[in-house]
Parts: sequence; C-alpha cells; structure tokens
Amino acid sequence: EPEVTQTPSHQVTQMGQEVILRCVPISNHLYFYWYRQILGQKVEFLVSFYNNEISEKSEIFDDQFSVERPDGSNFTLKIRSTKLEDSAMYFCASSERGPLGIDTQYFGPGTRLTVL
Amino acid sequence: QKEVEQDPGPLSVPEGAIVSLNCTYSNSAFQYFMWYRQYSRKGPELLMYTYSSGNKEDGRFTAQVDKSSKYISLFIRDSQPSDSATYLCATIIQGAQKLVFGQGTRLTINP
Repeated sequence: EPEVTQTPSHQVTQMGQEVILRCVPISNHLYFYWYRQILGQKVEFLVSFYNNEISEKSEIFDDQFSVERPDGSNFTLKIRSTKLEDSAMYFCASSERGPLGIDTQYFGPGTRLTVL
Repeated sequence: QKEVEQDPGPLSVPEGAIVSLNCTYSNSAFQYFMWYRQYSRKGPELLMYTYSSGNKEDGRFTAQVDKSSKYISLFIRDSQPSDSATYLCATIIQGAQKLVFGQGTRLTINP
C-alpha cells in the first residue's frame, strides 16, 4: 500500500540553525501538507501546497518557514532560524482531491525536531 | 470557543468492551469528518471518514455524525489490545485544505 515517507525520523539542532525536513508524498497525490504536534498538544495545520505554490497557510507559518517541491517526488519544509518553541513532531501529508472537493489526507510517520 | 473539542482521557476498558469516543465541533461549515488513530510517536493513520449525518460502519468500527448537535462519535466493538492508541477526530470545510483536529483521546484496552 502506498505511503508517505519522511526523513529524518529525528533531528536535533541548535537554536538559530536552519533545518530541512523532507517528505516523499504518495506518488499520484497532488496536494501536500505540513502539520506539527507539540508534545501533549493538538495536531496543528501549518501549510498546504498545490501546483507548486502555497494554497493555504496558518498563522504559525511565518517568514521563518518555507516549503518547496524541488523535484517530482520530494516535498520539503525549511525552518530558517530555529527557536526552542519549534521543537515538535512535524508531519507531512498528501491527498488527491475527491469528487466533492474533499481531500482525504494521508500522513507520514513524522520527524521529531528537537531544538536545543 | 475551540473549534473541535475532544476529551483527552485517558480511557481504559477491558478487552471485548464497546468503546465510545466523542467530539463536538462549533463551526457549522465543517462538512467532512474523519477519525485517525495514532500510535505512540507515529503519524495519524486514517481510520474512517464520513460526509453526512448518520452512521458509517467498517468492520468493528462505526462512525456517527449528528450535524444538528455538532457531535461526532466513533464506536469500537469487541475491542482488542491492539486498538490501544490515541484516537483523533478531525474535520474540514468542503473545498478547504486545513484539517482541524481534536485533542485526541488516549485509549487503553486491557487484556
């Protein structure tokens, strides 16, 4: 069964450093997402991406964040200057839009980001 | 007012019991409802989704939506220890991209 994959599974970085989290969405999906989950809190939407541009983003997704689809398979989330509060699980998801315009989103296993 | 509210539990039941997990939501524009299962330190795994009010059954799992009261339920029959996980309800507005999640209910099925 096709699945979303993410690398690395765990990333440790120093505050102020740049990190890139990588995802390979399901191959025939056209819509891509990043969510995050701070320990003990809800899964929160960050951004959605379609046709090589951001289609929706949350207030969390500020100028420190960027997303890119550098080739036909990868989807990345970059955090330019990490803060302690960026420590969280980051989940990538992908979907194909259904006939009612509804996206059933499938999630990857996550990257645990620890900012020291 | 929180968009989606879910009792975080924890909920502990004996094997074989019927489990009821519930969420409420505040926005009438939410039209599509999902249940995800999340094992510890893993990504959410889609269990079921439903569009309309009423019941949808898949094996031991039944999802129920009551749009008039903005209430979402997931029932698990003949619960197994392997069902032990956190269950997340989620909802979305048709045509939007952002899934809105509940807090998640941590469920333990005791052998």
